[in-house]
Amino acid sequence: DAKTTQPPSMDCAEGRAANLPCNHSTISGNEYVYWYRQIHSQGPQYIIHGLKNNETNEMASLIITEDRKSSTLILPHATLRDTAVYYCIVRPSSGSARQLTFGSGTQLTVLP
Amino acid sequence: DGGITQSPKYLFRKEGQNVTLSCEQNLNHDAMYWYRQDPGQGLRLIYYSQIVNDFQKGDIAEGYSVSREKKESFPLTVTSAQKNPTAFYLCASFSGGALGSYNEQFFGPGTRLTVL
Repeated sequence: DAKTTQPPSMDCAEGRAANLPCNHSTISGNEYVYWYRQIHSQGPQYIIHGLKNNETNEMASLIITEDRKSSTLILPHATLRDTAVYYCIVRPSSGSARQLTFGSGTQLTVLP
Repeated sequence: DGGITQSPKYLFRKEGQNVTLSCEQNLNHDAMYWYRQDPGQGLRLIYYSQIVNDFQKGDIAEGYSVSREKKESFPLTVTSAQKNPTAFYLCASFSGGALGSYNEQFFGPGTRLTVL
């Protein structure tokens, strides 16, 4: 399974964009990049995923580099409720979620 | 509303006692999972089940047991053989099939187990 590297923590001012980086240099061709977040003492919540094109939904945008070795999750207007641990995960395009491996993630703190 | 429920949210047990954590889903998902999370750490897979009456060990199965008699239910028993059972336990389910926007894992709210 491809491993990911994320900074342990980041701060962001409320209302500003939060850009969370993730390195996945060993990603293979059939692996997607997924982002989840976990608010303290709750279960992780799905945010977004992508293969090679940039993706956007109501929660966030995902920018994947052309070589697919890194990606950035963008929260365009961070709020205090976005304070959470953000996990970047790579997993194969098919099969079970057995390969869903959560690392330590990035603790994002949105400051008032 | 469809989702995953875990009960109770907080559980206290004495050392040496077995304890069973409940996980129920009404999403009609085939696959279910149990993860353990320690403070400041990521999630570690304990057991998973891809179909009724079948389950496999994850990365840290020692001291735990599961059953999958019904599609909706995947209870986890923390036995006295688990040396450090105090942790946050998360249950999840997965729809499987072709990858798409509905193929993410869904997580329950978690059970925080404290062994005294």
